[in-house]
Amino acid sequence: GENVEQHPSTLSVQEGDSAVIKCTYSDSASNYFPWYKQELGKRPQLIIDIRSNVGEKKDQRIAVTLNKTAKHFSLHITETQPEDSAVYFCAATTGFQKLVFGTGTRLLVSP
Amino acid sequence: NAGVTQTPKFQVLKTGQSMTLQCAQDMNHEYMSWYRQDPGMGLRLIHYSVGAGITDQGEVPNGYNVSRSTTEDFPLRLLSAAPSQTSVYFCASRMASLGYTFGSGTRLTVV
Repeated sequence: GENVEQHPSTLSVQEGDSAVIKCTYSDSASNYFPWYKQELGKRPQLIIDIRSNVGEKKDQRIAVTLNKTAKHFSLHITETQPEDSAVYFCAATTGFQKLVFGTGTRLLVSP
Repeated sequence: NAGVTQTPKFQVLKTGQSMTLQCAQDMNHEYMSWYRQDPGMGLRLIHYSVGAGITDQGEVPNGYNVSRSTTEDFPLRLLSAAPSQTSVYFCASRMASLGYTFGSGTRLTVV
């Protein structure tokens, strides 16, 4: 079955810096890769996703890249703000099976 | 459109007691899942369903049962609660090839 590894487990940046979180997956059949943001005490919320037929997707300060050959995908946050502080999860699925999550990255943005 | 509704929000059980965590969605989503979230361990899949009448085990199914008699409802049953089942439980639903919408979670403590 699918296995998703996520790094780093914690990431501290200064406000305005960029942050990058990386994930690798094991199942080459996986074709859908969402990213979730979870604030303290809240539910995970979808922030961006990418499909296997696309190499990069952007939404304002957030972008995701996918390298199918290497089986890894990354979340890029530019011009970080204190409100970006949260735990971020990556996930992978073939679309018709279970969605498997990484173990999360705690991002701390200091003013 | 209420999304994914979980009840209760908080619960304290004694070891050996049984209970059912309720989950309902009004988005006509095919896929529903139950995850548990423990500190440092991310979201671990307990059971999932790809449609009414169809369920399957996830990563950590022991001690839990599920059923899916309707598209809308996906209850999670704890058969005989143990302290190791103290966790935050999230129900989620999605359409195929899309990201999950999560419920607000149930914080369960087993004493």
